[in-house]
This record gives sequence, C-alpha cells and structure tokens, in this order.
Amino acid sequence: DGGITQSPKYLFRKEGQNVTLSCEQNLNHDAMYWYRQDPGQGLRLIYYSQIVNDFQKGDIAEGYSVSREKKESFPLTVTSAQKNPTAFYLCASSIYGGNEKLFFGSGTQLSVL
Amino acid sequence: EDQVTQSPEALRLQEGESSSLNCSYTVSGLRGLFWYRQDPGKGPEFLFTLYSAGEEKEKERLKATLTKKESFLHITAPKPEDSATYLCAVLGGSNYKLTFGKGTLLTVNP
Repeated sequence: DGGITQSPKYLFRKEGQNVTLSCEQNLNHDAMYWYRQDPGQGLRLIYYSQIVNDFQKGDIAEGYSVSREKKESFPLTVTSAQKNPTAFYLCASSIYGGNEKLFFGSGTQLSVL
Repeated sequence: EDQVTQSPEALRLQEGESSSLNCSYTVSGLRGLFWYRQDPGKGPEFLFTLYSAGEEKEKERLKATLTKKESFLHITAPKPEDSATYLCAVLGGSNYKLTFGKGTLLTVNP
C-alpha cells in the first residue's frame, strides 16, 4: 500500500540532545512537509520541500533542521536549541507544492525527559 | 495574513442528531478550502476540497459547503464512528502554505 511512514511513534529527548524523526513516502510525491501539533492549536508548518535538495522554512523553523537528499525521505531533526519540543509531529506529502491535498503520516509524539 | 476560525471548539451529539460545524476564514485570493478528519493519535485524513462559493461536496453522512466567508460541514444522522476532530484549512493566493484552524472535536454518543 502507498503511504507515508513516520517513525518512531514515540520519542523521548534528554536535555541538550538532538533527535531525528523519520519520514518516508512511497507515493512518488514531489512535495513534503513537517507540521507541529500542540493541544488546542492548529497545525503549524515547520519546514517544507517542493523538490529534492531544496527546502524552505515554515512559520516555526527555529530549533529544527531538515534534509531532502532523496525524493522519498524528509527527516526532521529537533535540535537542543528547540526549548519546548514536546508536541505531536506530523509529516505530510502532496503531489506537488501548491496542490495542498495533503497525505499525512501517523505522527510522532516527542516528549522531554 | 490568512486566518481560519472553527466553531464550536467541541460538539457533543446523540446518534442520529444532525448538526453543522463552522469554518470562518479570511484569505487573500482563496485557492482552496480543505476539510480533514483526525482520529486521536493519528494523522489527519483528507475529506474535501472546495474551490469557489456555492460549491458543495458530499461523502456518506458528510456534506461540505462554501460561501465567500465561511464553510460548513454538515453531519446528517451521525454515528459514533463519526467521532473525531474535524480540521479546516485554507490555501491563499499569496503563498503555497495551508493555514489550519484549531479544529472541532465531535463526539457522537450511542
């Protein structure tokens, strides 16, 4: 089945530690996105990529980094500079940037130890 | 700046009791309004895209409508399995990024 796979489902970060969230898609979509979801708030865009080897900052990129070396993969690193990382992180893809019918993964819940 | 406001924040219905969810928006040049359903602990699932005022789309017990200022998601004779958070989002002409509302948590009791 085609879809988006996020791993791990749950992740714990120690203070000062960088952690990486995995996102893989086999939909052959050009565009990929990372969103953060906090209770009582709308989804907020962290980073997005419309093509391989290119990505742009979203609304809340500080403390995060991404790479897009392959079309299928868009990992997100939560760095130690992100002081409030506890949230539900969602990866999504779309056929191409601007066509925002998004297909979402099942999410990663990140918590701070 | 694009803005989306969803109401109510939470809605509790009895099975079979029809109702509507509201999504009010301000956007510069609407390119699309999107409805998603999100179950607890999972990613949102696409439901509908509406492009212009007057447009309507249906899927099972759900019907989405669009005016120049708001969209409604009508739920007819809901069942407990319709319980979820419903998210509304808009795509404006000035950027390529969706703006999401905070969602409406719908609970349907048997």
